[in-house]
Amino acid sequence: AQSVAQPEDQVNVAEGNPLTVKCTYSVSGNPYLFWYVQYPNRGLQFLLKYITGDNLVKGSYGFEAEFNKSQTSFHLKKPSALVSDSALYFCAIYNFNKFYFGSGTKLNVKP
Amino acid sequence: NAGVTQTPKFRILKIGQSMTLQCTQDMNHNYMYWYRQDPGMGLKLIYYSVGAGITDKGEVPNGYNVSRSTTEDFPLRLELAAPSQTSVYFCASIEGTGKFSLNTGELFFGEGSRLTVL
Repeated sequence: AQSVAQPEDQVNVAEGNPLTVKCTYSVSGNPYLFWYVQYPNRGLQFLLKYITGDNLVKGSYGFEAEFNKSQTSFHLKKPSALVSDSALYFCAIYNFNKFYFGSGTKLNVKP
Repeated sequence: NAGVTQTPKFRILKIGQSMTLQCTQDMNHNYMYWYRQDPGMGLKLIYYSVGAGITDKGEVPNGYNVSRSTTEDFPLRLELAAPSQTSVYFCASIEGTGKFSLNTGELFFGEGSRLTVL
């Protein structure tokens, strides 16, 4: 069975500070991992993905994520948060033709 | 490019009514998905399709039906609406899900359909 866990419902960070949104996963076989962002009343937008290769993946809007196989984690990071980064973030895993999403983490960046 | 288009954006149903949520994509994607989003629960997969004429159940298929007669369209039918089906529904598509397609492609989402059953 496969699953994705986002342990934090909400993350608060001050503008200019680094941010981390956590994600852990469980899957048999090689993991294909994704991060998506959702702004209010909108669909999800792709941020980045890990399929294979380097453990540090760079994506849109200055976001990056670190794949850690031993800890089965795929945390989303950004060195310097912007107020405009405030949104709902979803981690997802692909397995057997299907994408499974975590419960989401609301990121609040305060000025 | 229109991408993934969902209609209607909002709908209020009475208990026991039926309706169809429409989803169409213009990217010639083979794979299409229907999700529902409930607060604090993330997205749950209802049904998916890997090509025209092929559909399969996801995590929460009860109370729903789908069809895929063309590559472009993937409608979701709600039969005998219940308050538990109050949710925001998202349609999504991707070219394919082999390793090559995942390397080059991404899952595209529609803007969502907000359904309330009273």
